[in-house]
Parts: sequence; structure tokens; C-alpha cells
Amino acid sequence: QKEVEQNSGPLSVPEGAIASLNCTYSDRGSQSFFWYRQYSGKSPELIMFIYSNGDKEDGRFTAQLNKASQYVSLLIRDSQPSDSATYLCAVPIYNFNKFYFGSGTKLNVKP
Amino acid sequence: NAGVTQTPKFQVLKTGQSMTLQCAQDMNHNSMYWYRQDPGMGLRLIYYSASEGTTDKGEVPNGYNVSRLNKREFSLRLESAAPSQTSVYFCASMVAGSSNEEQYFGPGTRLTVT
Repeated sequence: QKEVEQNSGPLSVPEGAIASLNCTYSDRGSQSFFWYRQYSGKSPELIMFIYSNGDKEDGRFTAQLNKASQYVSLLIRDSQPSDSATYLCAVPIYNFNKFYFGSGTKLNVKP
Repeated sequence: NAGVTQTPKFQVLKTGQSMTLQCAQDMNHNSMYWYRQDPGMGLRLIYYSASEGTTDKGEVPNGYNVSRLNKREFSLRLESAAPSQTSVYFCASMVAGSSNEEQYFGPGTRLTVT
């Protein structure tokens, strides 16, 4: 079992819809979780992180964490074509010095 | 403030050739990382350096060596390149090991081994 798993997609949603991206992790001791966005041919950039159970909102983005079920999700409200990218889930381990990344979910937002 | 820089941006090698990928950061970060990214595989950690003077293996270290030259620079060396090392290589840095620090990524090096 991989440390971090994501559905590779592609996930296609119409413009204005809610996109839901999911990530599961295997280490019950994991404490914080990061979502990165990566446009084609570019490097990853941080969208948001979460370390408490429940929801964390930042603009159109909401991260949801459920430690009991070992999953973290990212919701994108009012999806825009500019949100079309690959979204990577990352989990730090070993005193936060080492990270495992999921394989990423490709999101397509259709105008 | 350039952030994280990588050289070269593109490279083509023949099997068996060697090369060094260079990475530098100007954010006074303690930790630095080398990842490779293959289609459908996400980012896989090759080596990392939690602080100046230390290096540790990641998930896929075979065929690579690293040097943390100083706090700013972290290089990745391929001693004898193989086609399986064709990939996009990203260097990243972060301040230190804490629960809410983000990694900053360089622009990547696209390496093809023929």
C-alpha cells in the first residue's frame, strides 16, 4: 500500500461547479496535510494545508480532514477553467523533514 | 529574491554519461530536497538534506548521489545515466521541519537519457 493515494482522474467538472478531490494516507500518526497545485509543465505550488480535524476554508478552496478515516479532501467551489491542473496531496513524516506525495489528480474544468 | 533555482533546464544524455544537477536557494532555508516526477507517479523523493552537513535517502535513491555544498546549494549527481532516469527533476526547500511549513519548488530540470 502506498503511503498516500489519490485517484489519478481526470476529473471533469463544468465551470461553476464544485470539484471534489480526495486523498487517503496510511500512517495514522500523520499530523498535517498539504495540497499543491501543478499546472502542466510547471512546478508545484502550495494551495493550502490542514492539521486539525474538520474544515479549513481559504477563498474558493476548502480542505477537509478526517483523521479517523485517514482521508483528506479538497473542495473547489465555483470552479474556473484556470483551476484546470493536477492537484497533489502531500504528507510530511519524520519530524516534518520528509514528505510523501500522492500521484496527483488531474482536474479539467470545462467552460 | 530568486527563490529556488535549478540548472540546467533541459538535458539530453547518452546511457552511461554522468552529470550534476545544480540547485540553489536564497531564502535561508535549512532543508532541501530532490524529487523526480514521472507520468502518473507523482513526486518521488530521491534524497533530502534536513540541514547543512546532513543528507538522507528518500524513496528512490539508487543511481544518484547528492552533496549539500553549503546552506544554499544542494546538487544531485548521476554517475552513470540510464534510460530509467529519464524524468523531470525538481529541487525544493523549506525553512525547517515543522507542521505547517510549505516547500518551495524550483522550475525543474527535464532530463532525457537515450
